[in-house]
Amino acid sequence: EDKVVQSPLSLVVHEGDTVTLNCSYEVTNFRSLLWYKQEKKAPTFLFMLTSSGIEKKSGRLSSILDKKELFSILNITTTQTGDSAVYLCAVDRLAASKLTFGTGTRLQVTL
Amino acid sequence: NAGVTQTPKFQVLKTGQSMTLQCAQDMNHEYMSWYRQDPGMGLRLIHYSVGAGITDQGEVPNGYNVSRSTTEDFPLRLLSAAPSQTSVYFCASSPQGRGQYFGPGTRLTVL
Repeated sequence: EDKVVQSPLSLVVHEGDTVTLNCSYEVTNFRSLLWYKQEKKAPTFLFMLTSSGIEKKSGRLSSILDKKELFSILNITTTQTGDSAVYLCAVDRLAASKLTFGTGTRLQVTL
Repeated sequence: NAGVTQTPKFQVLKTGQSMTLQCAQDMNHEYMSWYRQDPGMGLRLIHYSVGAGITDQGEVPNGYNVSRSTTEDFPLRLLSAAPSQTSVYFCASSPQGRGQYFGPGTRLTVL
């Protein structure tokens, strides 16, 4: 059975800290791994990773994939209160956007 | 572009009633999907479509039907609502090989 596991389940940090969120997976027919941010509404797309070792970066957020060890990390540097959200990791199987999601990491950034 | 739109935003049903959740996108995306999100369980795929006239089951399809007569629309039908279908439902769309864009969600309560 396909499985996506995220850790930690929740995290509280102070503004300015750097955080690393983890996502490991066991899926057949892996095509890509995606990260989403979910505040109170719908998930919003952050990154899609298909190749090992190539870092994707957007501002203070970055992510990398290791297809040999079957995991990905999402880094957020110099965190801000606006980064508070649930971060979701998902794996896309085959070529049909059939996403399998992890249960998410809830990040709270305090002043 | 309006992106992905969903109606209604909220709905309360009685057990046994049927209804249709509407989803539309104006980005000419080939792929569309329906997910449900329950506390502690993340997002789970219900049904998906890779183009007009083509649909397939996801992880939790029982009790739901879909059709895709046009590229733009992908309605989700609940045949006979049950309390276990109380959830938040998200529709998503994507072009082939890209990340999915989510609609704002429909919060459904079945009494």
